[in-house]
Amino acid sequence: GAVVSQHPSWVICKSGTSVKIECRSLDFQATTMFWYRQFPKQSLMLMATSNEGSKATYEQGVEKDKFLINHASLTLSTLTVTSAHPEDSSFYICSAARQGNTEAFFGQGTRLTVV
Amino acid sequence: GENVGLHLPTLSVQEGDNSIINCAYSNSASDYFIWYKQESGKGPQFIIDIRSNMDKRQGQRVTVLLNKTVKHLSLQIAATQPGDSAVYFCAETWNSGNTPLVFGKGTRLSVIA
Repeated sequence: GAVVSQHPSWVICKSGTSVKIECRSLDFQATTMFWYRQFPKQSLMLMATSNEGSKATYEQGVEKDKFLINHASLTLSTLTVTSAHPEDSSFYICSAARQGNTEAFFGQGTRLTVV
Repeated sequence: GENVGLHLPTLSVQEGDNSIINCAYSNSASDYFIWYKQESGKGPQFIIDIRSNMDKRQGQRVTVLLNKTVKHLSLQIAATQPGDSAVYFCAETWNSGNTPLVFGKGTRLSVIA
């Protein structure tokens, strides 16, 4: 299967600071990447869909100015949590898909803790 | 699917028994379904998938059944092993394009040795 690498795997930051999470497709070109958030003991909730070279599409209730998504190349998407607060503490997971292919490959996730 | 509550349903099975995990999906237009396994602190791991033109698909020790009439999926794990202990999610999508996966609530499988 294809490999998606997410970095960092965990991060602790102070309230009010910004954190950037990277999602890379290592052996294929990902025209679309998805960002999910998962709170403890809950399912994965889609935050946004990002297509290479265009603006991300955010799900209802997700603040686009707070969660900045950039998909500047076919192998890299980044999620920046701006002015992080403790309630943003969560497990963030990206997935990537090839053009026209429904199978999505997941990164290993990033545990964000805001203190 | 709707994600409510803080407590995942739990299924406890004896090692060696068969496990059946169920999932109700929400969108009648969904045409592709996947089961994922998620271990603590890790991303989802693909187990098996099925398209809407099928009602059963088998893999190694796993079988997925799809009932489109009642929008129901099940995952059967044969001869459950301690390493199968994890949270299992079903996911659905549609259009065979780059549409996102919608995840179900999840079920925690606990294997008793």
